[in-house]
Amino acid sequence: QQQVKQSPQSLIVQKGGISIINCAYENTAFDYFPWYQQFPGKGPALLIAIRPDVSEKKEGRFTISFNKSAKQFSLHIMDSQPGDSATYFCAASPNNFNKFYFGSGTKLNVKP
Amino acid sequence: NAGVTQTPKFQVLKTGQSMTLQCAQDMNHEYMSWYRQDPGMGLRLIHYSVGAGITDQGEVPNGYNVSRSTTEDFPLRLLSAAPSQTSVYFCASSYSTGGNYEQYFGPGTRLTVT
Repeated sequence: QQQVKQSPQSLIVQKGGISIINCAYENTAFDYFPWYQQFPGKGPALLIAIRPDVSEKKEGRFTISFNKSAKQFSLHIMDSQPGDSATYFCAASPNNFNKFYFGSGTKLNVKP
Repeated sequence: NAGVTQTPKFQVLKTGQSMTLQCAQDMNHEYMSWYRQDPGMGLRLIHYSVGAGITDQGEVPNGYNVSRSTTEDFPLRLLSAAPSQTSVYFCASSYSTGGNYEQYFGPGTRLTVT
């Protein structure tokens, strides 16, 4: 049973468009929510992360929106570029931050 | 800094064989973890360590052993390989700064069990 549910499984966006990936969780003990970007043949790399005490965090073209009451969070990629084409994973961690639970991943393809 | 290194990059095993996946980090991170990545499943935590001499189980620990004798190294042992252990294995190390947790992943080991 996956503790973090991620959708969609795949996403095609035109260059310059907005990519939106959603995640949902049930465990209210989770208090740290990172997003990772993974290119083929590489390990995941931390992109951006948020704690539940804020509703939004922005870093460049990447924004996390967080809805604590709905237990949902999402990644928005503004002005999507072909170089953003990768697989994106959301994750969640409880107070013991060594235990990260990952979503199933979203493969993003940004068309030129 | 080399970051997190993993060896080997690829490995083929026969059912029943044992082997050790190596992981090392040179960032002096206290925390290290092993994940497996399977299509459609994301990454699942196998074992993790909060420091030298301290390890604990993750979501999918069966069939794997770990030890942490030094801060730098965190090997993963497959005791008796099974086809269900065919996967890509990632090692990660992490630290905490200002309440934020930075987790760094190695390049992965692709394991096939026949």
